Amino acid sequence: AQRVTQPEKLLSVFKGAPVELKCNYSYSGSPELFWYVQYSRQRLQLLLRHISRESIKGFTADLNKGETSFHLKKPFAQEEDSAMYYCALSTLGNEKLTFGTGTRLTIIP
Amino acid sequence: EAGVAQSPRYKIIEKRQSVAFWCNPISGHATLYWYQQILGQGPKLLIQFQNNGVVDDSQLPKDRFSAERLKGVDSTLKIQPAKLEDSAVYLCASSTRTARPILSGANVLTFGAGSRLTVL
Repeated sequence: AQRVTQPEKLLSVFKGAPVELKCNYSYSGSPELFWYVQYSRQRLQLLLRHISRESIKGFTADLNKGETSFHLKKPFAQEEDSAMYYCALSTLGNEKLTFGTGTRLTIIP
Repeated sequence: EAGVAQSPRYKIIEKRQSVAFWCNPISGHATLYWYQQILGQGPKLLIQFQNNGVVDDSQLPKDRFSAERLKGVDSTLKIQPAKLEDSAVYLCASSTRTARPILSGANVLTFGAGSRLTVL
């Protein structure tokens, strides 16, 4: 069975400082990894996925199969980045997601 | 495109009562999911439909929860009788499978706003 671990429930970062939200997973096959974000009073929405290899809103995430990690990074935090971030995993041929417990990111002005 | 619609947005009931939640997915999305999100936790999959068939209901407490998607479009999730620990946000999501997920952005779940249930 697959599992996603986000070790930090809360993370506070000053505006302009680098951000890293940690995500580790366990799955014996080839996973597809995602970061979903939920801004205040908004729906849960996709931020980025490892298969796309793109930067969204300045965020990037690299899948490290050796360390089974998919950490989310941004070099310079902005106030609008304050939100709840969820790491999620799906498996080949099935889009259903297994979520981590989430990290609440607060950007301090 | 219109998003995933859910209703009601909020519901307060007493334990042992019943409740039903409705979801209308994005038009053309064959796959529909119901997730349960308890406060402080990540969403947990309850049931997955492909058209009107159940793909995965392994984590659905079948003694009290039921779900249907009769015509392969709308879906209803019912809880009867409710327990205190059922207090949560119930999220509906839909997705469509494609052979070119990188370019089309498909194979991605789109979520509704959720239905918040409080059981007293």
